[in-house]
Amino acid sequence: GAGVSQTPSNKVTEKGKYVELRCDPISGHTALYWYRQSLGQGPEFLIYFQGTGAADDSGLPNDRFFAVRPEGSVSTLKIQRTERGDSAVYLCASSPGTGDTEAFFGQGTRLTVV
Amino acid sequence: RKEVEQDPGPFNVPEGATVAFNCTYSNSASQSFFWYRQDCRKEPKLLMSVYSSGNEDGRFTAQLNRASQYISLLIRDSKLSDSATYLCVVSTSGGYNKLIFGAGTRLAVHP
Repeated sequence: GAGVSQTPSNKVTEKGKYVELRCDPISGHTALYWYRQSLGQGPEFLIYFQGTGAADDSGLPNDRFFAVRPEGSVSTLKIQRTERGDSAVYLCASSPGTGDTEAFFGQGTRLTVV
Repeated sequence: RKEVEQDPGPFNVPEGATVAFNCTYSNSASQSFFWYRQDCRKEPKLLMSVYSSGNEDGRFTAQLNRASQYISLLIRDSKLSDSATYLCVVSTSGGYNKLIFGAGTRLAVHP
């Protein structure tokens, strides 16, 4: 079956612009996660959804970052007033249950802020 | 201090070699432990969970020492296809929620 799908695969934006990154989880998966991976580092947790609600958003670095999952399926990560330091690969993952089953990652969106 | 620390490598080994990776974690409340594998410019994929009793999956053996807050991965009879970055991962909430990744150890297996 289809895996986690993320679009776009690459995004180049100018400093100060607004961007939206989309994640389509595996069908039926109720848990959805966003991570950010900078060059040479492991993924860093941003936010976790269980259904439509954000169960844990403690990893969002500041109020420029926001994520939604209005219908409990597709999620959008929104970044306002982008900065060069936001450049990274943004990874989405989903899992079937409440977190006790394997989370599967998408291939990520590579964001470059110039 | 990072929550999960790993030797970044790279480890360059010949085919057939045995190689060991080590990892330490700082939060004693960590409940779940994993090794993930990440190929260049690809997403991380679960290699194996790690249990206190130690566990083995084919050529891969993982060990956990909660007292020392130390996790290891042993790869026997290395294959060219084992070349990748190996990420040590812990979770304080249990399961796969809020995974904390190390920076990864790069392995290069050569003929």
